[in-house]
Amino acid sequence: EVQLVESGGGLVQPGGSLRLSCAASGFTFSRYWMSWVRQAPGKGLEWVANIKPDGSQIHCVDSVKGRFTISRDNAKNSLYLQMDSLRDEDTAVFYCARDNWAGDSLYFDPWGQGTLVTVSS
Amino acid sequence: AIQMTQSPSSLSASVGDRVSITCRASQDIRNDLGWYQQKPGKAPKLLIYAASSLQTGVPSRFSGSGSGTEFTLTISSLQPEDFATYYCLQDYNYPRTFGQGTKVEIK
Repeated sequence: EVQLVESGGGLVQPGGSLRLSCAASGFTFSRYWMSWVRQAPGKGLEWVANIKPDGSQIHCVDSVKGRFTISRDNAKNSLYLQMDSLRDEDTAVFYCARDNWAGDSLYFDPWGQGTLVTVSS
Repeated sequence: AIQMTQSPSSLSASVGDRVSITCRASQDIRNDLGWYQQKPGKAPKLLIYAASSLQTGVPSRFSGSGSGTEFTLTISSLQPEDFATYYCLQDYNYPRTFGQGTKVEIK
């Protein structure tokens, strides 16, 4: 079964750091781009970042540039999101998702169950 | 960044109704659009990719259409399990951007 399981969420003070992990199983992790998507409480979805299979390319949304770093360890079938200088507005459920390509079209499937990050003093 | 605008933001419908949700892009995105369903407390689920391709296992009452800047998700006969929030997502360029969501509620 293809599965993604996030961990590492929790309560952190503004300005603090947190590292999220996403464990992949049931597919050849090293062949896929991977993404992080977040959802603030009661709000919509926001794509955060993605990373190429070999880690050589990264893209991210402007609001996290210079603060969040996406990385991966293909030997451990794991995706990471290092989050520094956290702000109140980063409070959200963070999902990892597999990027799939059908020709020129991308879609996210599957998704993990999500991990909650709360930034508050 | 490309802005994705969904309408309506919410709608009330009855079981058996035909429901349509529109997503408009701020620029031409060809057919680089997907639709996702999210139920409370759950991760989003892919329904449609490449504007009109039905994901394996998704009921055929769901369909997608459109290209360029205007796209539509249609549910031909609403079922009880379809009450959820629906999001469009453009994958034409970075950053990937979602619509704000459409909540489908029971009438």
